[in-house]
This record gives sequence, C-alpha cells and structure tokens, in this order.
Amino acid sequence: AQSVTQLGSHVSVSEGALVLLRCNYSSSVPPYLFWYVQYPNQGLQLLLKYTTGATLVKGINGFEAEFKKSETSFHLTKPSAHMSDAAEYFCAVSGGGYSTLTFGKGTMLLVSP
Amino acid sequence: EAGVAQSPRYKIIEKRQSVAFWCNPISGHATLYWYQQILGQGPKLLIQFQNNGVVDDSQLPKDRFSAERLKGVDSTLKIQPAKLEDSAVYLCASASGQFANTGELFFGEGSRLTVL
Repeated sequence: AQSVTQLGSHVSVSEGALVLLRCNYSSSVPPYLFWYVQYPNQGLQLLLKYTTGATLVKGINGFEAEFKKSETSFHLTKPSAHMSDAAEYFCAVSGGGYSTLTFGKGTMLLVSP
Repeated sequence: EAGVAQSPRYKIIEKRQSVAFWCNPISGHATLYWYQQILGQGPKLLIQFQNNGVVDDSQLPKDRFSAERLKGVDSTLKIQPAKLEDSAVYLCASASGQFANTGELFFGEGSRLTVL
C-alpha cells in the first residue's frame, strides 16, 4: 500500500522567491512518484515524475524534484516563483505496473507581487 | 490530440436524487479512472477500468455508486440516491497501456456536483 503526506495546505511566497513544496511518501514497493498541478476549474496536469534512474528530475515550467529514498521524500522546488505558478500542487505515489495513483491532500501555492 | 472530455461540467441536485456523469477518454487509451475530489482534499480513486473490465473498485460505495465502460471507450458514473457528502468534483482520467505502469494520467476538467 502507498500513502502520501504533503506538509502545509498553503504556502505563500513572493514573486522571484524560492518555491519549496514538501512531500513524504510511504510505499511497500519501490515507488513511482509524481507531482501534478491543478489550476482553478481545470483538471490535473503532470508536472514531473520519477520512475527509475536519476533521482533529480526536471519538469515543466522550471520545476524540479529530488527523490531521496533515505528520507522517503520527493520535495518540489523552483528557484524563482512567478505569478502564474499560483495553483494547487498534488504529490502522488504509485507502485508501478497497473497499480493506481494515490494522491496527497494538496498544497495551495500563493504568489504575491 | 483531443483531451479527456467530461460532461456535464456542473450539476446541482437535491439529496436522494440521481445523477450521471459521462467521460470520453483520449482515443486509444485502454485504462480509465474515476476519481472523487472533495473540497480541500486530494483526488480519491473510485474505480479503474482496463478496457471494459474493472481492475479496482475497492473504494466505490457500491450501495449508491455504479460505473460502466461499455465497448472499452466511453464511461458513465452514476450516483443513486445522492447524499450531501457526495458533493465533490468527479474527475475522469485515462492512460494508454504503455504508460499505465508509470502512472502518467491525463485528466479531464471534472464534473462538479453540488447536493442540496
């Protein structure tokens, strides 16, 4: 079984500041890890994913995340926030194969001018 | 390439009434999912289809929810009778066979249900 914990339901940053959204996971098998973004009144869109190989993965819009097995973490970062980054971000875990995605509760990113 | 289509986008009903949501996945995608997203929470899987067979419906409240995927393409999710706690956004997602094992899902915009 898999589970995801996202620390902080809301994160506020200023435009140009570092974005850090935290995600910790639990999985009984080697995990596949994902970050999805949801803009208001839209469906979820994949930002980036880790399956195997390089532990630092880069996604769209300048986001990246690092898989740290020892810490069971997959935190999402972006060096410089932009107003258009304001959205809700979901971390998700899968056991691979045809197993399903389990989502965290989400973190709302607020970006102020 | 057309995305995942869902309808209706919004639905308001009274408790104990019934409602149905429709989903048309991306062409060629064998795997289809229905998720329930309650305000302030992450999406929760209700049911997963592989072609027209059910892979996982362990979290589907079967006394009131039903879903079908005839011919392995379109899918319908029905709630009867609805309860207040069913107010949520119902998300449909699809994945092609070769991507299903990496969990890359393509989501529709969702159907927002309000039960009064």
